[in-house]
Amino acid sequence: EIVMTQSPATLSVSPGERATLSCRASQSVSSNLAWYQQKPGQTPRLLIYGASTRATGIPARFSGSGSGTEFTLTISSLQSEDFAVYYCQQHNNALTFGPGTKVEIK
Amino acid sequence: QLQLRESGPGLVKPSETLSLTCTVSGGSITSSGYYWGWIRQPPGKGLEWIGSIYYSGSTYYNPSLKSRVTRFVDTSNNQFSLRLSSVTAADTAVYYCARHASGSWFVDVWGQGTTVTVSS
Repeated sequence: EIVMTQSPATLSVSPGERATLSCRASQSVSSNLAWYQQKPGQTPRLLIYGASTRATGIPARFSGSGSGTEFTLTISSLQSEDFAVYYCQQHNNALTFGPGTKVEIK
Repeated sequence: QLQLRESGPGLVKPSETLSLTCTVSGGSITSSGYYWGWIRQPPGKGLEWIGSIYYSGSTYYNPSLKSRVTRFVDTSNNQFSLRLSSVTAADTAVYYCARHASGSWFVDVWGQGTTVTVSS
């Protein structure tokens, strides 16, 4: 089973600043990595798949990078609606999610 | 627009079987190239994939839950279902049904989720 880890667990950022979230896989998942955003009481929303492809309707301030075992989600300029929990998920071999990173207002 | 909606009892007793159904609307469950899955989220915790099924019956399960999971698809009613046996309090969670492509297992459509509590 592929184990996903995310860091940091919580990220405190001021609106307008850049946020960088990390995700690591226990073994290579090639570029088969997705990112989701989840706000309290809401369903997760697909942001990025294939490590760097934005899903339909996702703003350009969200970008993904990486391959193999190390991945990054960058939010270039945080908006108020971006404060949420972000999960990475490998989609190379079934589905495994990371534990999440909470992005909170500083 | 494709929509998924979960249904089932919100309360299940310990040791009993949890049964949930997902109804697909705005599209067909027999669409080529898509798997239909279940994902759960315990209160205050992260997401856990349970398993996925293709309309033909091909299934994949999370190894940690495989022994307790049964899944089946009802193409005539455009539904798929989950049965999780011998539940405990640890199975209390929001259960989501979801769709992912057969070639790339990222979830592009989610149901709204249904809360299931295991308690006597």
